[in-house]
Amino acid sequence: DTGVSQNPRHKITKRGQNVTFRCDPISEHNRLYWYRQTLGQGPEFLTYFQNEAQLEKSRLLSDRFSAERPKGSFSTLEIQRTEQGDSAMYLCASSLAGSYNEQFFGPGTRLTVL
Amino acid sequence: GQQVMQIPQYQHVQEGEDFTTYCNSSTTLSNIQWYKQRPGGHPVFLIQLVKSGEVKKQKRLTFQFGEAKKNSSLHITATQTTDVGTYFCAGPANSGYSTLTFGKGTMLLVSP
Repeated sequence: DTGVSQNPRHKITKRGQNVTFRCDPISEHNRLYWYRQTLGQGPEFLTYFQNEAQLEKSRLLSDRFSAERPKGSFSTLEIQRTEQGDSAMYLCASSLAGSYNEQFFGPGTRLTVL
Repeated sequence: GQQVMQIPQYQHVQEGEDFTTYCNSSTTLSNIQWYKQRPGGHPVFLIQLVKSGEVKKQKRLTFQFGEAKKNSSLHITATQTTDVGTYFCAGPANSGYSTLTFGKGTMLLVSP
């Protein structure tokens, strides 16, 4: 399977714990995006990378959230001191560089904070 | 900031009926993309429109981009149960072309 993969697919944690999610993009894609999606809403942009550089972060992104893409391949998204409001589906997408390129989404990691 | 709005939020049709969802942006868009998300699935790219007034067809799906590049529509002719899902439009965020602002989507239910 050469699509975008994400791990874990589900995560249940207690409030205050830290969690980390991983995304493996399509291998030739140099852009990688993180989104959050809650029920009845469209994906909400969190941050994106071109290669290993984090080029943009949403202003809505709390400082408890951090993302890395150390070698320009896979990426991790960490949430520190989780809150119940962090419960959501976290989607990763990748694309080729250049304007107007379609984004390929992974299956997502569903986070539940108790 | 930029807003992308979609109507209706939800539509339930009988198989064979037509369906249309509308997308409106608060700002002029350089392009618009449409995605489909099946229940329990992830968004899948359908199409991208770039030119003012552009119309593109994919089998029973017709996509339109408004002349002012602030609105778009997706029309499905003779719906099938396989069309079930949520349809999202997405436009480049104000910050640049690389990031997308998604609408809330239109959920389509098709009864056989």
